[in-house]
Amino acid sequence: GQSLEQPSEVTAVEGAIVQINCTYQTSGFYGLSWYQQHDGGAPTFLSYNALDGLEETGRFSSFLSRSDSYGYLLLQELQMKDSASYFCAVRARTGFQKLVFGTGTRLLVSP
Amino acid sequence: DADVTQTPRNRITKTGKRIMLECSQTKGHDRMYWYRQDPGLGLRLIYYSFDVKDINKGEISDGYSVSRQAQAKFSLSLESAIPNQTALYFCATSDQGQGNSPLHFGNGTRLTVT
Repeated sequence: GQSLEQPSEVTAVEGAIVQINCTYQTSGFYGLSWYQQHDGGAPTFLSYNALDGLEETGRFSSFLSRSDSYGYLLLQELQMKDSASYFCAVRARTGFQKLVFGTGTRLLVSP
Repeated sequence: DADVTQTPRNRITKTGKRIMLECSQTKGHDRMYWYRQDPGLGLRLIYYSFDVKDINKGEISDGYSVSRQAQAKFSLSLESAIPNQTALYFCATSDQGQGNSPLHFGNGTRLTVT
């Protein structure tokens, strides 16, 4: 099976850089995804790491290290609108290849 | 614009009532999912469907059933609602199950069972 752990909450100020970690235990997966969810809204896809290393998309970057069973989402030049919950997720290699989510990290950005 | 639509957005019901949550999509995706979200527990998979002939249980299917009426429609039923089924429910779609195939979520249904 799969289990993913994230910090429950992270706080930062506008303009800063913040890293949200995701550690996992899984028997095998295709890659690590990240989703963003604003309060009252639907989760939306942010990024995907198929291979080890860093993937950059604008202000957001995501990293994966399979050997360390670890990944992170890096948010730079934080803006107030980045206040949201962030979920890591893995897609299993077995069965229906369903997506399994972490418990989520609530990011609070203050002025 | 292609979309995943859930109805109703909010529902309050009493213990023991049968309730159906509906989901329709215009994305043309074969795969559809129902997730439940509770504070501190993230998103947990209830049921998923590969196509109209394929229904599979997720990690928390007890107390729920689903129907895939068409490629575009996937409904979730609570046969006899109980208070601990109070949660935010999301329907999602994807075009395949491998690699970079992101889920596309509806706006959710907030269900309260009293």
